[in-house]
Amino acid sequence: NAGVTQTPKFQVLKTGQSMTLQCAQDMNHEYMSWYRQDPGMGLRLIHYSVGAGITDQGEVPNGYNVSRSTTEDFPLRLLSAAPSQTSVYFCASTLGAGEAFFGQGTRLTVV
Amino acid sequence: AQSVTQLGSHVSVSEGALVLLRCNYSSSVPPYLFWYVQYPNQGLQLLLKYTSAATLVKGINGFEAEFKKSETSFHLTKPSAHMSDAAEYFCAVSSGGTSYGKLTFGQGTILTVHP
Repeated sequence: NAGVTQTPKFQVLKTGQSMTLQCAQDMNHEYMSWYRQDPGMGLRLIHYSVGAGITDQGEVPNGYNVSRSTTEDFPLRLLSAAPSQTSVYFCASTLGAGEAFFGQGTRLTVV
Repeated sequence: AQSVTQLGSHVSVSEGALVLLRCNYSSSVPPYLFWYVQYPNQGLQLLLKYTSAATLVKGINGFEAEFKKSETSFHLTKPSAHMSDAAEYFCAVSSGGTSYGKLTFGQGTILTVHP
């Protein structure tokens, strides 16, 4: 099993550019989430989904969009990148009350 | 609303010494509690979880944690530190139900192990 796969691993964007971070899981988990990790702040929830077609905002949703058309995929879109979005992004999937499985992360730099 | 506070952003121990990483939480409903470990440039890996069964939870790599409702704490311990334990540790809480996929994390504790 691949688990949770994130692409790309690294990305540099210019301010104002848009891009999509990809996330795919092969464990048939219902719940998927996107987090950003910044030094000294832990991980903060951006968006999450409880199933295909259902998404909701987390703690820091501004500047990001998500959709979930299939159980497997949960892409995160940056609409107009800003330097404040420089961060490490993690996708996770969860089955019920069990553990969350995390991808390896995408390190994004906005210049 | 739920929150997590990890006391101490950096903890340093000698190899063979006790490891104690502190976590306090707040939650309006019975919580699910987790400890995750992150090695440099990697994702997070589950160490252990509390989901309302036994209050003393054993995890991987010799770690354990005790859920104390009266103290709203879920501290992580390991009797004898190993060099390979050096990493960043995160405590997290979930309120369950439709919020299973929503984890609230503490700010993290970096554990350094000296020879």
